[in-house]
Parts: sequence; structure tokens; C-alpha cells
Amino acid sequence: ETGVTQSPTHLIKTRGQQVTLRCSSQSGHNTVSWYQQALGQGPQFIFQYYREEENGRGNFPPRFSGLQFPNYSSELNVNALELDDSALYLCASSSQGRLRSPLHFGNGTRLTVT
Amino acid sequence: DQQVKQNSPSLSVQEGRISILNCDYTNSMFDYFLWYKKYPAEGPTFLISISSIKDKNEDGRFTVFLNKSAKHLSLHIVPSQPGDSAVYFCAASERDTGTASKLTFGTGTRLQVTL
Repeated sequence: ETGVTQSPTHLIKTRGQQVTLRCSSQSGHNTVSWYQQALGQGPQFIFQYYREEENGRGNFPPRFSGLQFPNYSSELNVNALELDDSALYLCASSSQGRLRSPLHFGNGTRLTVT
Repeated sequence: DQQVKQNSPSLSVQEGRISILNCDYTNSMFDYFLWYKKYPAEGPTFLISISSIKDKNEDGRFTVFLNKSAKHLSLHIVPSQPGDSAVYFCAASERDTGTASKLTFGTGTRLQVTL
């Protein structure tokens, strides 16, 4: 069983730039969600994708957007990067049909905005 | 507004003793609770969960207790092992809102198990 994989592992960007982070879901999982973990904080929910559509969003501005592909892989896009976007970005997958199944997380992408 | 709180940033326990990690929540709509463990440079790993219809769930060395009236849960690890040294996150989700993977996390407790 293949787990959740994320790429790249580390990334450095300049304020104002755009970034795309990638995630491959665990096999058999049809739902992907993204979390932001700032230093010293717990992960914060950004949004969830199911059947290639966003169907839940946390308190993040529209410059955070995403995509889910037919093979359930996903991208997180962040436009007009700000210094506060520096964080660990975690992707998690689950099976939508099992509402109480735990999320399986990838190892994350560490984004640094300078 | 922190809906899930872990008030102890760190905890040190001797190997073989019990580790007790605590978590408080404020949102009455939360009905499912989870504990995740996180090692450096890795994503959170699911440990154990509990539904609000229960007050205890056990899995090997790990037991989670839920006190709904106090809006408090705790994770007990017995006996503690050096490999348990990690950051532990408490998380909660609300009754079915259609966003099954929206978890609200606490800020974590760093557990160190000493020899």
C-alpha cells in the first residue's frame, strides 16, 4: 500500500511569487485535504477536495487554491506569497465514504518565503 | 480562538512510567477526537481515536479517555518507551458537516521519554 507522498520536500520563494505543491494520495483514497502548520502551532485546515471539486474550506484567502485530478492526486497553489505563508504544508488523504476514518498525512513540504 | 487546547507544551517521563497528555476543547459540536504523533521531518501519524458516544478507547499501550461534561480528553501511554518521544497533537472534528477531513488541532505537547 503506497502512502501519501508530497513534493518537493523543501522550497524557497520570494514574497509576491507563486508556488505549486504536489500530493499523491494513498491508494484507495478519494478525498484529499491540505493543512498549513506554522512553527509552534498545530496544523490548520486549508481545504478539502472530493471528486475534483473543493467541498470545504478553512479560514484562508482565495489566493490559496487547489486542484484534484482524476487519479486523486492534488495540487495546492498559493499566489502572491507573503512572509507569513512560510510554513509546513501537509497533504492528507482519506476515503469519503468512511466519514470517521482517520486522515493519513504525507511528510509535508517546507515552504520558506523571503 | 483556540477551540482545541493543549496547555502543556512539553512533558518528560521516565521509561516504563505512565505518560498522560491532556487536551481541552470548547466547541460543543465536536463529536470525534483523535490523537496524532509527529516525529521531526515526518507528517503526523494517527494513533488512536474516540467517538463522543464512548468515554474510553484502548489500543495496546495507548488509552484515550473522554470526559464530555468537562470537555476534556487525555491520552495515557503505559509503559512509556524511548521511541514514544515525539510531539503529540490532539484533534477534533464536528458532527457531519460534509467536510469529513476538517480536523481542528491543538498546538501539541512534546513528550520526552528518558532512560
